[in-house]
Amino acid sequence: DAKTTQPTSMDCAEGRAANLPCNHSTISGNEYVYWYRQIHSQGPQYIIHGLKNNETNEMASLIITEDRKSSTLILPHATLRDTAVYYCIVRPYNYGQNFVFGPGTRLSVLP
Amino acid sequence: GAGVSQSPSNKVTEKGKDVELRCDPISGHTALYWYRQSLGQGLEFLIYFQGNSAPDKSGLPSDRFSAERTGGSVSTLTIQRTQQEDSAVYLCASSSPPFSGEETQYFGPGTRLLVL
Repeated sequence: DAKTTQPTSMDCAEGRAANLPCNHSTISGNEYVYWYRQIHSQGPQYIIHGLKNNETNEMASLIITEDRKSSTLILPHATLRDTAVYYCIVRPYNYGQNFVFGPGTRLSVLP
Repeated sequence: GAGVSQSPSNKVTEKGKDVELRCDPISGHTALYWYRQSLGQGLEFLIYFQGNSAPDKSGLPSDRFSAERTGGSVSTLTIQRTQQEDSAVYLCASSSPPFSGEETQYFGPGTRLLVL
């Protein structure tokens, strides 16, 4: 079972920041937070991951609370192409651990 | 290519036939995973290969499903005597060798299987 809770769906206006929350209150010390997204009819696309520090890359920023029980994925300037299902996954950084995908958040970026 | 590739993109077959799905992982990635995704559902883990070690088959739903990985690179997922409930998107992912500091899984585009 997925160890994360995400809202079922969210809307965001094009050009605005999209903030996607994720709760992972039972996260363990050796577990990382990963974010993937899946655009319709495509395979999941890696976005970002982190352990306890905030992370930023060319796609997004990841903000993890100090207690690590929740996190937020931020798409700074959402475009229509960012419309997708976003998955928050908690996974040990151990080799061979498959990803357990929950239902995710369906983000709709509106013009 | 730079990413994980899968073939065919789409496969339509008749109930009872066997199918083979292929995955080409990213060059240098020693770990390879197979998942499937039914319509509107999340990803379901099927099998995992790491180098020359015995694969983790714990996710295979029945003995009609099997997979092999030749030469530590290309993998083939075989479904024998297909059933309509096998219809799904079959996704392959690969990741870097252990202790490389990067174990993120990168997914292919998937094979859409439809069993009539």
